[in-house]
Amino acid sequence: GAVVSQHPSRVICKSGTSVKIECRSLDFQATTMFWYRQFPKQSLMLMATSNEGSKATYEQGVEKDKFLINHASLTLSTLTVTSAHPEDSSFYICSARDSGTGLSSREQYFGPGTRLTVT
Amino acid sequence: SQKIEQNSEALNIQEGKTATLTCNYTNYSPAYLQWYRQDPGRGPVFLLLIRENEKEKRKERLKVTFDTTLKQSLFHITASQPADSATYLCALDITGNQGGKLIFGQGTELSVKP
Repeated sequence: GAVVSQHPSRVICKSGTSVKIECRSLDFQATTMFWYRQFPKQSLMLMATSNEGSKATYEQGVEKDKFLINHASLTLSTLTVTSAHPEDSSFYICSARDSGTGLSSREQYFGPGTRLTVT
Repeated sequence: SQKIEQNSEALNIQEGKTATLTCNYTNYSPAYLQWYRQDPGRGPVFLLLIRENEKEKRKERLKVTFDTTLKQSLFHITASQPADSATYLCALDITGNQGGKLIFGQGTELSVKP
């Protein structure tokens, strides 16, 4: 099946620093990737839609200057949390859709997530 | 306002019984509805997708129904096993084009006791 990897799986950083999270589709191409944030016992909240070769589309209330998204290739999207603060501590999960056509391309394949802790 | 709600209480059932999870939504018109499984500290895993014009979909021990009049989907696991214990998320696929943005419910935690 389709595999999505994320790196790192866990990161601890100091307040004010920036952290980059990578999301890779390992065995398929993804023109569209998604970035979610999940707080404990809560649902996944979509932050932005990452489109290969173009600017990301951010959801309402998500600061695009704070959460920088780059989707430079069909298999890699990165999320950079700039000037991180303790309230940015969360579980960040990416997903990707196979660029193939048809119904099967609507399901999303999720990465294992990145646990970010800002001290 | 737009809402998507799942059983907020955890569901505890005995092994071998059928688990039924509910997903209700308001003020959305999803073209598709998807169900995912999430284990603690992991990303969700896709289980089933059902279209707005389909009433029911099955896959092995899983069954999903979709009633666009009631704005409700039911997710059934028959002959449940302890390995089915996880959080189950419903997600509305609300864009008709290839964009495929998903809006997730808060999930229902299922515990299957041996």
